[in-house]
Amino acid sequence: QKEVEQNSGPLSVPEGAIASLNCTYSDRGSQSFFWYRQYSGKSPELIMFIYSNGDKEDGRFTAQLNKASQYVSLLIRDSQPSDSATYLCAVRPFSGAGSYQLTFGKGTKLSVIP
Amino acid sequence: GAVVSQHPSRVICKSGTSVKIECRSLDFQATTMFWYRQFPKQSLMLMATSNEGSKATYEQGVEKDKFLINHASLTLSTLTVTSAHPEDSSFYICSAREWGEAFFGQGTRLTVV
Repeated sequence: QKEVEQNSGPLSVPEGAIASLNCTYSDRGSQSFFWYRQYSGKSPELIMFIYSNGDKEDGRFTAQLNKASQYVSLLIRDSQPSDSATYLCAVRPFSGAGSYQLTFGKGTKLSVIP
Repeated sequence: GAVVSQHPSRVICKSGTSVKIECRSLDFQATTMFWYRQFPKQSLMLMATSNEGSKATYEQGVEKDKFLINHASLTLSTLTVTSAHPEDSSFYICSAREWGEAFFGQGTRLTVV
């Protein structure tokens, strides 16, 4: 059973601080990793994806991947109240052609306090 | 990014009736679409993979006779919840792939009364 684990939170950070969201996965063969943001009652929207070990930065967001530790994280710098949402970590088991199934974690609820 | 349109966004139906949910890829062709279900405070759970022109692949525990999936064209997949019951009340979300990225529809909030 492939699993993706996230701390459910809620994680509360003050406005302007760095929010750190963590995710671990059980399938060592996983190739692609995604972070989605989901506002209450809405469908998920893709924030970032990462394939290689190390850091990947996009604006205020930085994804970090450590395949040896089976760990992926998302850092949000200068957190804003509008960042308050549930953040879903998703893992794709392989990178070849064909099915594109994602396994999702349960999500971490982030609250940014003004 | 690509646009996936899901309709309706919200539906209330009586127990025992059937509900059809549509998922369209507006600006790309999707040979594969995915249907998810999300209960309150839970993660997205994959229900089935919909393949254009062939039968859907259902995840373990998902009743294929209850959740009918049709993927008749490269831009449209439908999910029909047949003989809906209150326990089927949930948030249903479709997803389609383009160039390695998955894009989600807006979701459908189904309430069975």
